[in-house]
Amino acid sequence: TQLLEQSPQFLSIQEGENLTVYCNSSSVFSSLQWYRQEPGEGPVLLVTVVTGGEVKKLKRLTFQFGDARKDSSLHITAAQPGDTGLYLCAPRTGNQFYFGTGTSLTVIP
Amino acid sequence: DVKVTQSSRYLVKRTGEKVFLECVQDMDHENMFWYRQDPGLGLRLIYFSYDVKMKEKGDIPEGYSVSREKKERFSLILESASTNQTSMYLCASSPAGTGRHIQYFGAGTRLSVL
Repeated sequence: TQLLEQSPQFLSIQEGENLTVYCNSSSVFSSLQWYRQEPGEGPVLLVTVVTGGEVKKLKRLTFQFGDARKDSSLHITAAQPGDTGLYLCAPRTGNQFYFGTGTSLTVIP
Repeated sequence: DVKVTQSSRYLVKRTGEKVFLECVQDMDHENMFWYRQDPGLGLRLIYFSYDVKMKEKGDIPEGYSVSREKKERFSLILESASTNQTSMYLCASSPAGTGRHIQYFGAGTRLSVL
């Protein structure tokens, strides 16, 4: 089992603030995905990153894959209440998928 | 729109009962997965299937079995439910080939075993 750590575990911020959450491992991955899971729902894919150093933007969300493909970050600019949810990173090695325990984000109006 | 449907959102069962969790996808995906999600433990893979009548054990298969008689349907079976199987169960599907790492999830079934 790969050791995968997401931080922080919980985050509560005011609407309009910026935030960054992290996904770290000592293992090298071929790709990595970020999902968002809203309360009572299943995870929904946000983005897939494949290349070391890759940066992808999805509106106010910026995703970065570490140069060594061992870590990733998700930065949210001007957070909105609709961003509330559990953010899961899911790296992949070969045919194996792994999920972190997630960062639970609450954006207070 | 892709759709993965889990038959029940909430289930309450008694210890020792046989429990069936059903999952249907309408995307003609080859791959289907069953996970359980528990606080502090994240998603853990129970079983997966790459084709009809084919199944592979995941990380925590003990106490569970699966059935895939048709491509669109993947069932998770708890032969004799126990309280430690109280959890959120998530089904997912993905296409074969280069897209197989994109998983589409159902809304989940929250199972309580009393």
